[in-house]
Amino acid sequence: QKEVEQNSGPLSVPEGAIASLNCTYSDRVSQSFFWYRQYSGKSPELIMSIYSNGDKEDGRFTAQLNKASQYVSLLIRDSQPSDSATYLCASFGSSASKIIFGSGTRLSIRP
Amino acid sequence: DAGITQSPRHKVTETGTPVTLRCHQTENHRYMYWYRQDPGHGLRLIHYSYGVKDTDKGEVSDGYSVSRSKTEDFLLTLESATSSQTSVYFCAAGTSGGIGTDTQYFGPGTRLTVL
Repeated sequence: QKEVEQNSGPLSVPEGAIASLNCTYSDRVSQSFFWYRQYSGKSPELIMSIYSNGDKEDGRFTAQLNKASQYVSLLIRDSQPSDSATYLCASFGSSASKIIFGSGTRLSIRP
Repeated sequence: DAGITQSPRHKVTETGTPVTLRCHQTENHRYMYWYRQDPGHGLRLIHYSYGVKDTDKGEVSDGYSVSRSKTEDFLLTLESATSSQTSVYFCAAGTSGGIGTDTQYFGPGTRLTVL
């Protein structure tokens, strides 16, 4: 079992709608979780981090963490074509200094 | 890119030759990482460093070695390149070690092709 799992997609969402990206993790002692956005041919870019149960909002982005269910999600409101990218979920694992990445979900925003 | 550069950006080499990739950061981050990214596998950690001369293996370290003689530089060496090491290699640097302080920034990547 992979430590961080994501649906590979592609996930297609109409412009202006809410895009919902999901991620599960297996390491119960993981404390920190991250969402990175990666455009094709570019490097990953950190867009959200979350450490506590509940929601964390930053502009159009909301990260949600449920440690009991070992579940992390990212909501993108008012989706724009520029949001089309691969989104990587990552957790800071129990092994010191190691961030474990999921394989990524490809998101496509259709006009 | 948060002050992280990688060189070379593209390289084509032949099977059996040694290859060294360089990562340079200007932000004085303590931790540095080398990842490879392949379709269907996401980012996989090769090696990481938690200080000068302090390194440890990641999940796909076979065939790779690293060195860090200065805070700002982290070198990845493919001792004898194989076709399975054709990939995009990303360097990252950042803080680590506690809730609220975990941040990792990526360099632009190196595309390596082994023929």
